[in-house]
Amino acid sequence: GESVGLHLPTLSVQEGDNSIINCAYSNSASDYFIWYKQESGKGPQFIIDIRSNMDKRQGQRVTVLLNKTVKHLSLQIAATQPGDSAVYFCAENMVAGGTSYGKLTFGQGTILTVHP
Amino acid sequence: DGGITQSPKYLFRKEGQNVTLSCEQNLNHDAMYWYRQDPGQGLRLIYYSQIVNDFQKGDIAEGYSVSREKKESFPLTVTSAQKNPTAFYLCASNPWGTDTQYFGPGTRLTVL
Repeated sequence: GESVGLHLPTLSVQEGDNSIINCAYSNSASDYFIWYKQESGKGPQFIIDIRSNMDKRQGQRVTVLLNKTVKHLSLQIAATQPGDSAVYFCAENMVAGGTSYGKLTFGQGTILTVHP
Repeated sequence: DGGITQSPKYLFRKEGQNVTLSCEQNLNHDAMYWYRQDPGQGLRLIYYSQIVNDFQKGDIAEGYSVSREKKESFPLTVTSAQKNPTAFYLCASNPWGTDTQYFGPGTRLTVL
């Protein structure tokens, strides 16, 4: 899985499989988490987000799970398609003294490769 | 990408030259950010601005400068003081009081 400060992990799946990308976050005070998808040479695109008062949120073919006890976040992609091949980043908001400063701290990303 | 534009897409610079990267947004967002991305790494914050005529340093501000004279514009200047400027530069923005940032398409800067 992905964690801030470590080298870039990779995940290789077959088309139609479900994919799970993991992320360990660092700040127990963070209350907002977001997943981005970045295709080669492009800017990151928003996929899904979750607040810390939730442990699961679903979108179209994607689900984000949050485990605050172990500071772990995961992104599940159902029926993965070749177009899902990209780098996936998790990010947490920066909270200090109970205030979010609108800044995000990014993980280093996971490379997802989907084989037809 | 939405309403955030960055130009140029590719930029080449000789050592010792300053260069300015453009970032414009028509989303009426209050906050804007500049990130640097190196191969195989995550995004690192260079500068950010939450309001016109105000900006703060991020984690790697040395060798960079910014201005925020208009709400929709946040140009980044990479100066000759930046020792290793070759990278992919990303601009982002979000409305005041929210955490979701939206990104532009990026500018790839190469120093020759």
